[in-house]
Amino acid sequence: SAVISQKPSRDICQRGTSLTIQCQVDSQVTMMFWYRQQPGQSLTLIATANQGSEATYESGFVIDKFPISRPNLTFSTLTVSNMSPEDSSIYLCSVADRDSKNIQYFGAGTRLSVL
Amino acid sequence: AQKVTQAQTEISVVEKEDVTLDCVYETRDTTYYLFWYKQPPSGELVFLIRRNSFDEQNEISGRYSWNFQKSTSSFNFTITASQVVDSAVYFCALTGYNQGGKLIFGQGTELSVKP
Repeated sequence: SAVISQKPSRDICQRGTSLTIQCQVDSQVTMMFWYRQQPGQSLTLIATANQGSEATYESGFVIDKFPISRPNLTFSTLTVSNMSPEDSSIYLCSVADRDSKNIQYFGAGTRLSVL
Repeated sequence: AQKVTQAQTEISVVEKEDVTLDCVYETRDTTYYLFWYKQPPSGELVFLIRRNSFDEQNEISGRYSWNFQKSTSSFNFTITASQVVDSAVYFCALTGYNQGGKLIFGQGTELSVKP
């Protein structure tokens, strides 16, 4: 399986600021995804990061709040904009490839606390 | 609509006991894929198993076994002779063939194995 590096691993941020999370994969992958896991909750898909085009967002998530970039097949970023305490969550990126039989492999996640 | 239900929010067992984690799913897709992931306290999601809708054979991997029954829309996970290292949150997840890889997660079952 691919090796996924996510940075930062954790951060504490002030209300109203923005944080960019990076996801780097050690091999080219077809699909990259961003999930949010609120405290004590399950994972919810934010968006699918599309290489060279705009991300595909799920209901309840918008580009202005969670802008995503994917400049190539090994790298993506998620920005959490204008943060509020409600954005305190774990943010995880995952990757899948046509050869991986729909299996998604996850990074270690970014633990975000907003004060 | 797709849905995954893990009715057991928390389970506590003593080491060496067997434990079964339940997962019930809903989907209108005829082709779909089911997964189990483990999330230890470190936070990273670890892939355990994938099963497609056409393969109802049970699977055993060491102390882990999975029972997939389409008739009851269930995909249960059993740990035999549990160990303290099995303590984690376990997630069941589902994606349909035409869902673009979007994973629908259950709420998770927190397993605590006490020595």
